[in-house]
Amino acid sequence: QKEVEQNSGPLSVPEGAIASLNCTYSDRVSQSFFWYRQYSGKSPELIMSIYSNGDKEDGRFTAQLNKASQYVSLLIRDSQPSDSATYLCAVNITPTGANSKLTFGKGITLSVRP
Amino acid sequence: SAVISQKPSRDICQRGTSLTIQCQVDSQVTMMFWYRQQPGQSLTLIATANQGSEATYESGFVIDKFPISRPNLTFSTLTVSNMSPEDSSIYLCSVAKAGHTDTQYFGPGTRLTVL
Repeated sequence: QKEVEQNSGPLSVPEGAIASLNCTYSDRVSQSFFWYRQYSGKSPELIMSIYSNGDKEDGRFTAQLNKASQYVSLLIRDSQPSDSATYLCAVNITPTGANSKLTFGKGITLSVRP
Repeated sequence: SAVISQKPSRDICQRGTSLTIQCQVDSQVTMMFWYRQQPGQSLTLIATANQGSEATYESGFVIDKFPISRPNLTFSTLTVSNMSPEDSSIYLCSVAKAGHTDTQYFGPGTRLTVL
């Protein structure tokens, strides 16, 4: 069973702090990694993708990937109350010759308190 | 990305009936998927909708229960058949475009309640 694991939550941080969200995956051949944000009652929204080891920054968001450790994380700098949502880690785990598809973690709920 | 719409946005149905959910995209996409998200849970892939051929179902999901159509590159339907309360869930379609088939964008979802 190919799995994607996320820290159990919820995670609460004060406004202005750095929120760190972590994700591990079991399949070493995974090649692409995604973070989705899902507000309550809404559908998931893609916020970051990362394909290579290292950091990828987009505004206040930084995705970090370490394929050797099978670990991907999302850092949110200067957290705002509007960042309060569930964050889903997704990994492309595609068997050889099959269509591309994603496996999602269970998500972690972030609460940014004013 | 793409603009994705789903109909209906929500519905309340009686046990034993069927509901067909539509997913429409504003541009041609290579891949379309159907997911289920049960209350408080993450997303579970039901199937990949293949244009012009039968859908590819994930373990635990069968065509008789969740028939899927994809007549062209911008439209797909998912039917939830012979519903029971356990089918109460949010059903989401997602799409991926050519050249970036691993990157999926989600529609707004259909919230289904089965009584």
